[in-house]
Amino acid sequence: SQQGEEDPQALSIQEGENATMNCSYKTSINNLQWYRQNSGRGLVHLILIRSNEREKHSGRLRVTLDTSKKSSSLLITASRAADTASYFCATGFNEKLTFGTGTRLTIIP
Amino acid sequence: NAGVTQTPKFRVLKTGQSMTLLCAQDMNHEYMYWYRQDPGMGLRLIHYSVGEGTTAKGEVPDGYNVSRLKKQNFLLGLESAAPSQTSVYFCASLARRGMNTEAFFGQGTRLTVV
Repeated sequence: SQQGEEDPQALSIQEGENATMNCSYKTSINNLQWYRQNSGRGLVHLILIRSNEREKHSGRLRVTLDTSKKSSSLLITASRAADTASYFCATGFNEKLTFGTGTRLTIIP
Repeated sequence: NAGVTQTPKFRVLKTGQSMTLLCAQDMNHEYMYWYRQDPGMGLRLIHYSVGEGTTAKGEVPDGYNVSRLKKQNFLLGLESAAPSQTSVYFCASLARRGMNTEAFFGQGTRLTVV
């Protein structure tokens, strides 16, 4: 079974609002990563947080990691229409990189 | 700098036919991966490789074979295609560096088996 599961499966918000999506995973990790996928395209890396880190920022992105709860959250602030995409968390452990089921984010102009 | 290139981009196969998907990366990455993406299922790992000449099974390896004869190439083979293998296939590569580094993805191969 897949390592990660995102919640919610789909999210629609107004442009300018913040978007939060969550990821839960099952086993040990070296790191947790978030990727974005625009419709019909390959995945693009957004941010990586190591297992010994609790929070990380990159531009409008904020990621948190709670290894005791085996969960992570991705916050996108001040959303834009261009943020409309699917977002996936991925866990890295040893040589494996395993993805979750994704959150479909729609930004309403 | 092409990054990760997948060929072909689209293919229609008849049940029972065979084919090979090619993934090529020009970043000298050690690790390479093959995933399939189906609606509502996210990306599922088929096979992966941690270096030239090595391969390992992922979550859904049945019906697929792989080879990594050259560091820059990772081939995914379907020996006898089935409709259940209709999917979008993605290849990714990752520099080793303790795994704490990003993966780079190809643009995908959309395969339909009829």
